[in-house]
Amino acid sequence: AQKITQTQPGMFVQEKEAVTLDCTYDTSDPSYGLFWYKQPSSGEMIFLIYQGSYDQQNATEGRYSLNFQKARKSANLVISASQLGDSAMYFCAMREAMDSSYKLIFGSGTRLLVRP
Amino acid sequence: DGGITQSPKYLFRKEGQNVTLSCEQNLNHDAMYWYRQDPGQGLRLIYYSQIVNDFQKGDIAEGYSVSREKKESFPLTVTSAQKNPTAFYLCASSIGTGFQGIQYFGAGTRLSVL
Repeated sequence: AQKITQTQPGMFVQEKEAVTLDCTYDTSDPSYGLFWYKQPSSGEMIFLIYQGSYDQQNATEGRYSLNFQKARKSANLVISASQLGDSAMYFCAMREAMDSSYKLIFGSGTRLLVRP
Repeated sequence: DGGITQSPKYLFRKEGQNVTLSCEQNLNHDAMYWYRQDPGQGLRLIYYSQIVNDFQKGDIAEGYSVSREKKESFPLTVTSAQKNPTAFYLCASSIGTGFQGIQYFGAGTRLSVL
């Protein structure tokens, strides 16, 4: 079974509008972290935001916020006031405490295109 | 500037050849990772190292080898045994090994077969 599912292969958003990128996850580990990364066409993976499984409040970092619904096992990324530079691939990832490698498990990504 | 440096940016491999991808970090991070990314997909773990002189296989280690002789360096060798090496390779590091640790990535190396 997929551990991280991103169901939107591609999304469009108008500049200055908000957009939500969906992510659902599957784990039996009570301790885990959820991460969002941005990958522009240059290829580098840029860390955006982190949410821990025990965090009571949704994480926010500038224009990025994470809508964490633990019971639904969803961790959607909200980008407010989209900018042209936000056009990129976005990956949701998870790290489980029970995995001794602490590797990141990635979804297949969502390509976001911001229209002027 | 602190960060992770990967070189080269582009690499071409001939049939039967071993090639080595460099990864250097000056963040003083303990853990380092190598991931492979195929077109349209997320990343998959090749090898990881949580401490100098120790490393472990990840999910897709066959045809790859690594070393960790220095804290700052974690080179990846793609051997001739790796039959489908064409991919984008990303190196990452994190300060700790807990599930909260943020992994930071280099700019990647794109490997192609001639």
